[in-house]
Amino acid sequence: DADVTQTPRNRITKTGKRIMLECSQTKGHDRMYWYRQDPGLGLRLIYYSFDVKDINKGEISDGYSVSRQAQAKFSLSLESAIPNQTALYFCATSDPRWSEQFFGPGTRLTVL
Amino acid sequence: GDSVTQMEGPVTLSEEAFLTINCTYTATGYPSLFWYVQYPGEGLQLLLKATKADDKGSNKGFEATYRKETTSFHLEKGSVQVSDSAVYFCALSLIQGAQKLVFGQGTRLTINP
Repeated sequence: DADVTQTPRNRITKTGKRIMLECSQTKGHDRMYWYRQDPGLGLRLIYYSFDVKDINKGEISDGYSVSRQAQAKFSLSLESAIPNQTALYFCATSDPRWSEQFFGPGTRLTVL
Repeated sequence: GDSVTQMEGPVTLSEEAFLTINCTYTATGYPSLFWYVQYPGEGLQLLLKATKADDKGSNKGFEATYRKETTSFHLEKGSVQVSDSAVYFCALSLIQGAQKLVFGQGTRLTINP
């Protein structure tokens, strides 16, 4: 089984709808991250969490919110989706002793 | 702020050709450097890393050396294969603090048989 899983893998929605993307991990890591990937821009950090009580904004948090329900679960919400939020979204985890991060398979979101 | 600049793609090579993908960085502290690879339809996988100056990371025939004097971490492979076709991302992370990854824009590599 994959260490970092994301659901759904693909989602098409309409402008104004509320969307939740979910991430679960079995690596036992405290740190979790949400990134957005756009063509030609690499990955950009949306939010990150060091533990259940510690949530921090990344460089592009506007229009997004997150919830850390447990050590293993970190959800990303779009309260009112807009077309320029169409992108590939990745969840990642890390152990604070090491700087590398481990990524989920991604969720492709299309907002019409 | 911290940033990573990668060689623009796409890059197309023939099988067994020599590969170089350039990566330079700007950082206020002493970063760790990474190359991640994204195969079609998949998430990012760590390819190799280096945590201090002059370290060489290597994996699957790929190599990159942490050059502090030129702030570079170029990816090389002596003989590429069709299965190396993917998008490659250079990234940095500061050892202290949030350990957030800062990514380059990615370089799409296509290897033709």
